[in-house]
Amino acid sequence: AQSVTQLDSQVPVFEEAPVELRCNYSSSVSVYLFWYVQYPNQGLQLLLKYLSGSTLVKGINGFEAEFNKSQTSFHLRKPSVHISDTAEYFCAVRTAYSSNTGKLIFGQGTTLQVKP
Amino acid sequence: DTEVTQTPKHLVMGMTNKKSLKCEQHMGHRAMYWYKQKAKKPPELMFVYSYEKLSINESVPSRFSPECPNSSLLNLHLHALQPEDSALYLCASSQEVGKQYFGPGTRLTVT
Repeated sequence: AQSVTQLDSQVPVFEEAPVELRCNYSSSVSVYLFWYVQYPNQGLQLLLKYLSGSTLVKGINGFEAEFNKSQTSFHLRKPSVHISDTAEYFCAVRTAYSSNTGKLIFGQGTTLQVKP
Repeated sequence: DTEVTQTPKHLVMGMTNKKSLKCEQHMGHRAMYWYKQKAKKPPELMFVYSYEKLSINESVPSRFSPECPNSSLLNLHLHALQPEDSALYLCASSQEVGKQYFGPGTRLTVT
């Protein structure tokens, strides 16, 4: 069984400051890792994913994440946030090498609140 | 076209009503999904269709009935729902690993 823990339910930050949203996972098998963003009253949008290879993954909107296998973490970072980054962020995992319809396991979400 | 569309955007229904949610994608994706999302919670997987066949049913009550009439369309038929079924219902589709494209959702209120 797999699980995902997002360590912060809310992260307030001032505009142009850096931010890190933390995600830890638990799994007995290899996993793929994802970060999704959900803006108010919208569906989810994929920010970035780690499947294999380089542990530093760059995504859209200036976000990046680093896969750390020994710490079972996949923290999301952005060096300078904008008001428009205010949203709900979900970390997710799924079993590696499974079929395309493999189930995504989501964390509980982190609300990023960017203040002017 | 990288869009998943869902209709209606909002739906209010009584507990004795029958209604349907619709989802459409024209990206050629062969996997389609229904999720239920409560406020401030992550999406919960309900159903997965792969090549128009139901491949995953996450023990969803029978008052929710999915249908995949063709590779572009996914429906969710609703009957005799309960107030606790009020939520945002999200549709998604995918072709490559992990990259699910989500629609904007249908906000359902059961009165």
